[in-house]
Amino acid sequence: DTAVSQTPKYLVTQMGNDKSIKCEQNLGHDTMYWYKQDSKKFLKIMFSYNNKELIINETVPNRFSPKSPDKAHLNLHINSLELGDSAVYFCASSQWGGGNTEAFFGQGTRLTVV
Amino acid sequence: QQQVKQSPQSLIVQKGGISIINCAYENTAFDYFPWYQQFPGKGPALLIAIRPDVSEKKEGRFTISFNKSAKQFSLHIMDSQPGDSATYFCAARGITGGGNKLTFGTGTQLKVEL
Repeated sequence: DTAVSQTPKYLVTQMGNDKSIKCEQNLGHDTMYWYKQDSKKFLKIMFSYNNKELIINETVPNRFSPKSPDKAHLNLHINSLELGDSAVYFCASSQWGGGNTEAFFGQGTRLTVV
Repeated sequence: QQQVKQSPQSLIVQKGGISIINCAYENTAFDYFPWYQQFPGKGPALLIAIRPDVSEKKEGRFTISFNKSAKQFSLHIMDSQPGDSATYFCAARGITGGGNKLTFGTGTQLKVEL
């Protein structure tokens, strides 16, 4: 049973297109995240949602818009795709607050903009 | 500004040897330090984690050593096996408005040779 699942796993699209990546978690967590991993494997947080409320919004272009219809889902919509958006995008989830709260990651979506 | 510095970038170890990966952080507000393991095509998975009030934590062949005064921590993999070949990320968590934000190191690609 997959804990954090993302679709699609691969996404190839042309510059200027709009695309979405979907994420769902079945762990009962109340906080979800989007991370971006670039070609050098560097992982950086983009957004965090807690109970459908945006908590963290790093300096991400506003072409990126996360949407959380409920606390088990966090989707990422990207408008006007650019070559530099090519990366692997990871969804993650955890419980809110401190303690030893492990973040669980999905398998990633490899986005290639051509 | 890279808040968590990780070294080395890559590491080759003989089977049965000890793998050592080092990280240093700057922000004293970090309160939780996990290590993640990532295999090709997969998302990062939690390996072991430590809180700053503990100097060492061991789980099986994996040990974290933590030096709070130096703001440094390291991962030791004893009796390294070919199956340990992966990319390892150290991370540090800061609590932002109650949410967990992981700041990752740049990753270490470990190869364990027979």
